[in-house]
Amino acid sequence: EAGVAQSPRYKIIEKRQSVAFWCNPISGHATLYWYQQILGQGPKLLIQFQNNGVVDDSQLPKDRFSAERLKGVDSTLKIQPAKLEDSAVYLCASSDRAGAISGNTIYFGEGSWLTVV
Amino acid sequence: GEDVEQSLFLSVREGDSSVINCTYTDSSSTYLYWYKQEPGAGLQLLTYIFSNMDMKQDQRLTVLLNKKDKHLSLRIADTQTGDSAIYFCAERRAGGGNKLTFGTGTQLKVEL
Repeated sequence: EAGVAQSPRYKIIEKRQSVAFWCNPISGHATLYWYQQILGQGPKLLIQFQNNGVVDDSQLPKDRFSAERLKGVDSTLKIQPAKLEDSAVYLCASSDRAGAISGNTIYFGEGSWLTVV
Repeated sequence: GEDVEQSLFLSVREGDSSVINCTYTDSSSTYLYWYKQEPGAGLQLLTYIFSNMDMKQDQRLTVLLNKKDKHLSLRIADTQTGDSAIYFCAERRAGGGNKLTFGTGTQLKVEL
């Protein structure tokens, strides 16, 4: 089974530039997540989609970050304009159900590493 | 509260057991997870435990949950050099969809 695919793996940009990350979840997974992992910290949820609707975006800095999942499959995360503190790994993850009673497994991609200089 | 706390570093000798500890604050947590992250890689789910369980064993891994003290631990038996990585505990809270709140991670170093 193919895992969660992300691109690009690495990106270096100057502050105030823009960047976009792409994610393809595991086939059939309705729920997609974007997490931000700053060096030395645990991942923090930015946004959660159920199909193409937003479930939770409470920690997404909406003045500069945006995300979409138009057809309920692939997703893009955009940062515009980028700040130095946005340097982090952006992890995409997917699961087949949200809020399920059973131990619902969330599968992570390898991440997109962003450096803002 | 939001905090899930872990100690930052753990060093063990190859063949010994490793115990990685985690404390959380939300008593409504339904599931607790352990993830492994190797350098340059994403997060790999190792195991999880439902909040009404005290213990779960899976090959070399043993998870202990003390719900009264909100304390979770991961024991790795016969630790190998390939176990060197950062280990994250995470909690899923009731009513929070499937959102995970992660700890800060414990870096495990296995020495020969």
